[in-house]
Parts: sequence; C-alpha cells; structure tokens
Amino acid sequence: DVKVTQSSRYLVKRTGEKVFLECVQDMDHENMFWYRQDPGLGLRLIYFSYDVKMKEKGDIPEGYSVSREKKERFSLILESASTNQTSMYLCASSPLAGGAAPYNEQFFGPGTRLTVL
Amino acid sequence: AQSVTQPDIHITVSEGASLELRCNYSYGATPYLFWYVQSPGQGLQLLLKYFSGDTLVQGIKGFEAEFKRSQSSFNLRKPSVHWSDAAEYFCAVGEDTGGFKTIFGAGTRLFVKA
Repeated sequence: DVKVTQSSRYLVKRTGEKVFLECVQDMDHENMFWYRQDPGLGLRLIYFSYDVKMKEKGDIPEGYSVSREKKERFSLILESASTNQTSMYLCASSPLAGGAAPYNEQFFGPGTRLTVL
Repeated sequence: AQSVTQPDIHITVSEGASLELRCNYSYGATPYLFWYVQSPGQGLQLLLKYFSGDTLVQGIKGFEAEFKRSQSSFNLRKPSVHWSDAAEYFCAVGEDTGGFKTIFGAGTRLFVKA
C-alpha cells in the first residue's frame, strides 16, 4: 500500500520560530510537492521537487524553503514563522510522467495543521 | 492562465439521492482532469481521472465523471449518495509541463442528511 507520511498531525509554534515539516514517501517517486490548504482557496503549491537536491518554486513560495537530500524525504522549512502561515500543510508525491501515463496522480499525506501564535 | 472553478462551496443532499458536483476548467490544450476526495482529517484520495478516450470515466466508490470539451466541464456524479460520502471534493487539472503542476479548485463540501 502506497504511503506518504508527515511528521506531525498538529503543530503549535510561536511567531519567529523556525519550523520544520517533514514528509516521507515509500513509493520511490521522483516528484514531491508541498501545498497549503486554506478554506475557500483550495490547495496552493508552495514548492515542488522532481529529483534529489532539485527544487522549484510553486505559486506561493514566499516565507518558505525546502530541502530534498534523499529521494524519499522532502522537508518544508518556515524560516521565521508568522501568524499568516497558520494553515493545513499537505505533502504529496507522484511518479515521473511518461508513456502510458502522460500525467500521474498525486498521493497525499494526511496533512499537518500548523498554528502560529 | 489555467484555472479550475467549482461553483458550489457546499452542497447538501439526502442519503440515497443522486449527486452532481460541478467543475469548469480553463486550459488551452487537452486537459488532464482529476477528482479527489478529502475525508475529515485525511489527505486527498484520487476518485478518478481523465486523460483521453471515452469521455465518461468510472472511479472508485461508485463515482463517475463526464468530460465535455464544448462546455469545458468535468462534473462528478453518483446515482445514490451514502452518508460516508460526506467529505470535501476537489476538481483538478494537470498542466502539460512534465507532470509537475496540478491546479486545484477551491473544493465543494458535501453534506449528507439522513
């Protein structure tokens, strides 16, 4: 059974703290993604990675950074947390597209609900 | 720019009634279309997807969706809703840029009443 796990389901941090959100997938997928989910806005892409040590900005990268040192692990970093980063954070992974699968579905973790006070 | 619109923020249906959730997309080329479901406290799970071919696609849990190019729509349907279908549903379109970027709609929350 495919699995994407996130290090915490709930997290409470203070303004200015450095926050690490960890994501691990066991499917040997090339692509990994970080989204934030807010009511009425759906999912917005923060960063994605298509290979180890590679990263690309998504739609809302400001205030975030990422790290991918190993294929199975993709970390989201909030350098200095702010209250407007209170949100649900979802990690996802997908295999490389191509051939009979021109575009692959994404597999999601359960999410981390982050509250910044 | 590509976009996905789900016009209904929430919908309430009676158990056993039929369901249709609307989705419209804006995309120049042939779209890759998806419906995902998110149960409370869970991540998203794929219900079904459309790449090409038959415009009526079947998914898990008894759901189906129909791609209508002329209307730029990909509506999700189920003939008889169960209480366990209460969840949030997201329509999404995949950009044809190497499979990296998926655009999600804002979601429709489904309530099921007994």
